Amino acid sequence: DGGITQSPKYLFRKEGQNVTLSCEQNLNHDAMYWYRQDPGQGLRLIYYSQIVNDFQKGDIAEGYSVSREKKESFPLTVTSAQKNPTAFYLCASSILPQGTHLGYTQYFGPGTRLTVL
Amino acid sequence: GQQVMQIPQYQHVQEGEDFTTYCNSSTTLSNIQWYKQRPGGHPVFLIQLVKSGEVKKQKRLTFQFGEAKKNSSLHITATQTTDVGTYFCAGPDNYGQNFVFGPGTRLSVLP
Repeated sequence: DGGITQSPKYLFRKEGQNVTLSCEQNLNHDAMYWYRQDPGQGLRLIYYSQIVNDFQKGDIAEGYSVSREKKESFPLTVTSAQKNPTAFYLCASSILPQGTHLGYTQYFGPGTRLTVL
Repeated sequence: GQQVMQIPQYQHVQEGEDFTTYCNSSTTLSNIQWYKQRPGGHPVFLIQLVKSGEVKKQKRLTFQFGEAKKNSSLHITATQTTDVGTYFCAGPDNYGQNFVFGPGTRLSVLP
C-alpha cells in the first residue's frame, strides 16, 4: 500500500529452513526498514538501510539478514538461527532522515505473516 | 536508552463515548508522529506534531504535543466502530536515524 509491496501475505515454513521475505517500493525512497510485530505487541526494528549496499542492525537483528542491492528492494532473510520466527513482518520506507529536526513519514507495506511449523 | 511509552494498553468503549491515549517519551522529541493499525492491517500515518503545545484536529481526532515536547495525546470524540484498531505514537531516536514506536493502545468499540 502506498507504493510498497510485500509478498507473500502468508508464508509457512518448516523449522530449520531459511526463508526470504520480499519488499519492493516505487516511492523513490532512500530509507527502508524491517519491523517485527508479535501478537498484541508494538513494532520492533530488525534492520534498516539508508543507501544502496549499506544497512544497519536494529534492536533485534540476531537471526536475520538483509541486502540492499537496489534502491527499490530490501529483502529480509529469516535464518534458522532465529529461535522464534513466527511473527508478522512489516517493511517500511521513507525519505532519508535529516537529523532530529525534520520529521519523516514511514510508509508501511501490507506485511507478511510468517508461521514456522 | 530512549523509551516511548503509551497508556492505556487496552481500552474498551461503547460507541459514542470518547477515547484518549497518552504517549510519553523519556527524552525530549523534535517531533512526534501517530499511526493507526486496523486489525490484521499495517500501520498508517495519521499526523505529525512539531511545535511545543501544538494541537491539530482531524475531524473527530484531536492530537496534542506537550509543552515540554516529551508527551503527546490523541483524543477521539464520539467513537465509531471504524475507529477500532491500535494507535501508535513514534518519536525520532537519539541519532535521528529511526523512529522509536510506542507499544500502542488497542481500542475496541462496542456497538
